[in-house]
Amino acid sequence: ELKVEQNPLFLSMQEGKNYTIYCNYSTTSDRLYWYRQDPGKSLESLFVLLSNGAVKQEGRLMASLDTKARLSTLHITAAVHDLSATYFCAVRPNAGGTSYGKLTFGQGTILTVHP
Amino acid sequence: DGGITQSPKYLFRKEGQNVTLSCEQNLNHDAMYWYRQDPGQGLRLIYYSQIVNDFQKGDIAEGYSVSREKKESFPLTVTSAQKNPTAFYLCASTSPLTGPNQPQHFGDGTRLSIL
Repeated sequence: ELKVEQNPLFLSMQEGKNYTIYCNYSTTSDRLYWYRQDPGKSLESLFVLLSNGAVKQEGRLMASLDTKARLSTLHITAAVHDLSATYFCAVRPNAGGTSYGKLTFGQGTILTVHP
Repeated sequence: DGGITQSPKYLFRKEGQNVTLSCEQNLNHDAMYWYRQDPGQGLRLIYYSQIVNDFQKGDIAEGYSVSREKKESFPLTVTSAQKNPTAFYLCASTSPLTGPNQPQHFGDGTRLSIL
């Protein structure tokens, strides 16, 4: 069974600081997704990482994928209040299934950015 | 604009009652998914469908049923057999036309509570 674990689960940051959220997964995969969810809202796609060493950046967020370590990171640079949200990683395993196969989500990291 | 429409936004279920959550998409996506989200947890897959008239159980299908009679529609019925239905339900879709690794697009969700 594929397991996806994020840490930390809760992150309280000051504006202007840097921090990293980690996403570990338990099976072979080179397809990893990061999503953002605002309270009571739907999920918004942030990044799609499709190969070992992939790095994507958008504004103050940068995501990377290390398939050998089965690890993805979401790095936050100079945090601002607008980044407060819950961040999920999701993994689709390589083996079996079809191209539209199931995603397994991490538990989510609740990020709060304080002035 | 294309998107996924879920209705109703809020739904209350009486004990012993079946309720149906609607999910409609006009993105011309082949694959559709239903997830359940409990407070402080990640998303868990209930059912998914890759093509009309076909669907598969996800990780927590017991107490739920679905149909896929049209490409645009993937309704979820929460039956009386689901003893703990209170949760936030999210519908998602994706398509091979935009590449098999494209992220899933999500609706705005339905919040279901027991009366």
